[in-house]
Amino acid sequence: DGGITQSPKYLFRKEGQNVTLSCEQNLNHDAMYWYRQDPGQGLRLIYYSQIVNDFQKGDIAEGYSVSREKKESFPLTVTSAQKNPTAFYLCASSIFVQKGARDTEAFFGQGTRLTVV
Amino acid sequence: AQTVTQSQPEMSVQEAETVTLSCTYDTSESDYYLFWYKQPPSRQMILVIRQEAYKQQNATENRFSVNFQKAAKSFSLKISDSQLGDAAMYFCAYRRLGGSNYKLTFGKGTLLTVNP
Repeated sequence: DGGITQSPKYLFRKEGQNVTLSCEQNLNHDAMYWYRQDPGQGLRLIYYSQIVNDFQKGDIAEGYSVSREKKESFPLTVTSAQKNPTAFYLCASSIFVQKGARDTEAFFGQGTRLTVV
Repeated sequence: AQTVTQSQPEMSVQEAETVTLSCTYDTSESDYYLFWYKQPPSRQMILVIRQEAYKQQNATENRFSVNFQKAAKSFSLKISDSQLGDAAMYFCAYRRLGGSNYKLTFGKGTLLTVNP
C-alpha cells in the first residue's frame, strides 16, 4: 500500500543533542513537507521540498535542518539550536499541483512525538 | 504571504444536528485550492473536502459541504447530521496554483466536540 511512514513514533532527546526524524513515502510525490504542531498553534511549516536536492525554509526553520537526497525520503534533524523542540512533528507529501489535477491534497504520516528530557 | 484564519478555537454540537466551522484566508492569487482536514485523537490527518477556487460550485462530500465565498475569502465547513465520530480538530488549509505552489498553509484549527 502506498503511503507515508514516519519513524520513530516517540523520540526522547537530551539537552544539547541532535536527533533525526525519518520520513519516507512511496507515493511518487514530488513535494514533501515538515510541520510542527503545538497546542493552540495549528500546523506550522518548518521546511518543504519540491525536488531532490532542493528545499526551502518554512515559517519556523531556525534550529532545524533537512536533506532531500532521494525523492522518497525527507529526514528532519532537530539540532541543539532549537530551544524548545518538544512538539508533535508531521511529515507530508503531495503532487505538483496543476489546474484540474486530481489528488491535490497533501498526504500525512502518523507523526513523531519528540520530548526533551 | 498567504494566511488562514480560523476564528473559533472550539465548537460543540449535539449528535444529529448541524454545525458550521468558519475559515477565512488572505491571498492575492486568483487560482488556488482550499481544504478541510480532520485530526481525530489518533492525530492522523484526514482530508475531509477540497475546493478549487476556479469552480463556483460548492464542494460536497456526503454529510460535509462547504460554503465558498471567493470575493469574501471565506471557506466554511458545514457538517450535517453530526456523529460522535466527527469529534476532532478541524484544520482549514490553502494551497496556491502555479509557481512554487507546493506550500500548504494551515489555520490554527477548531476543536469540535459532539455531545450525545
